[in-house]
Amino acid sequence: QKEVEQDPGPLSVPEGAIVSLNCTYSNSAFQYFMWYRQYSRKGPELLMYTYSSGNKEDGRFTAQVDKSSKYISLFIRDSQPSDSATYLCAMMGRGSTLGRLYFGRGTQLTVWP
Amino acid sequence: KAGVTQTPRYLIKTRGQQVTLSCSPISGHRSVSWYQQTPGQGLQFLFEYFSETQRNKGNFPGRFSGRQFSNSRSEMNVSTLELGDSALYLCASSFTPPTSDQETQYFGPGTRLLVL
Repeated sequence: QKEVEQDPGPLSVPEGAIVSLNCTYSNSAFQYFMWYRQYSRKGPELLMYTYSSGNKEDGRFTAQVDKSSKYISLFIRDSQPSDSATYLCAMMGRGSTLGRLYFGRGTQLTVWP
Repeated sequence: KAGVTQTPRYLIKTRGQQVTLSCSPISGHRSVSWYQQTPGQGLQFLFEYFSETQRNKGNFPGRFSGRQFSNSRSEMNVSTLELGDSALYLCASSFTPPTSDQETQYFGPGTRLLVL
């Protein structure tokens, strides 16, 4: 079992839809949770960062972390065609694993006009 | 502030050759991590350096090595290239040691390596 599981999709939604992306993980030592967006043939771009449990909102994006369930989510409101990309969840622990990100496989999202 | 830069952006090599990739972190960042991204395996961690010391290493063979210089710039080297080494190699930098919420990693554009 991989330490981070993410449904690869693909996910196709109409413009204006609410998108929900999710990841589960097995390592209870993870403390830092991130979402990256990656456009084709580009490097991952940091979208959201959350430390420990809770919610974080930034514009149309909301990240949620539920450590008790080992489950994280990213919601995109009023989705736009420019949101079409691959979304990667990533996590990191502390101590000996600091500096090492564990990634999900990524979910490919297409938002059509 | 300039982002993470990686050179070269594209590279074509043949089996058996070696290659060196370079990464310059964001100014002030002292941690540099390297990842390999392939369609089949996704993003996999290679190693991480902080203050010229390797702190973490992933499950890659010894053909993959790296180093970090005193100015935090980093290089990774792959010797005896194999076809399966074809991938996007990504470098990420971050602040460390940890200071509250400043521990996120920022990625460069990557070096796309094709091994023929």
